[in-house]
Amino acid sequence: KQEVTQIPAALSVPEGENLVLNCSFTDSAIYNLQWFRQDPGKGLTSLLLIQSSQREQTSGRLNASLDKSSGRSTLYIAASQPGDSATYLCAVAGQGGSEKLVFGKGMKLTVNP
Amino acid sequence: KAGVTQTPRYLIKTRGQQVTLSCSPISGHRSVSWYQQTPGQGLQFLFEYFSETQRNKGNFPGRFSGRQFSNSRSEMNVSTLELGDSALYLCASRPRDRPNTGELFFGEGSRLTVL
Repeated sequence: KQEVTQIPAALSVPEGENLVLNCSFTDSAIYNLQWFRQDPGKGLTSLLLIQSSQREQTSGRLNASLDKSSGRSTLYIAASQPGDSATYLCAVAGQGGSEKLVFGKGMKLTVNP
Repeated sequence: KAGVTQTPRYLIKTRGQQVTLSCSPISGHRSVSWYQQTPGQGLQFLFEYFSETQRNKGNFPGRFSGRQFSNSRSEMNVSTLELGDSALYLCASRPRDRPNTGELFFGEGSRLTVL
């Protein structure tokens, strides 16, 4: 059974820091991995999707990497801003292109001005 | 292009009642999935529909059911509500069919409180 872990559960940093958010998964036979952002009381916003054949994806100040063999992904946020404050979740899709995503419990990020 | 629309956004029910939640996917998306989000369990997969057929189901009791209409809109129903059903129910749609290579787009959710 796939399990996804995000540690730490919360992080508070001053504005301007470069951040690394971690995600680990127990079954390396994944189809893809997706990072999401969730603001309080809101739905999820997709940030980056990495296919199992890819090593990384970039969008603006965000860069996500994937190491399937070690069961790890990292989301790198450059020059953090108060607007980056949110909960960040990673989710994996099982091999075969399963529609069912298994989510981590998320990491609550607070960026202080 | 309108996003995934979920109604109602908030609702309060009492134990034993039933509830129906609605989801309209992004235009052109035919795959709709549902997730339950609670502080303790996080996000858990409920079920997924494609072309009016349920293709995958999570580990939830039979009180949780859903359906999809020919226009891809989906509803989920929870009968005999329990306190533990209080949660944010999220609907998501996907632009492509299998294999799952596309991003999942989520709605704002329906927050259900059971008293």
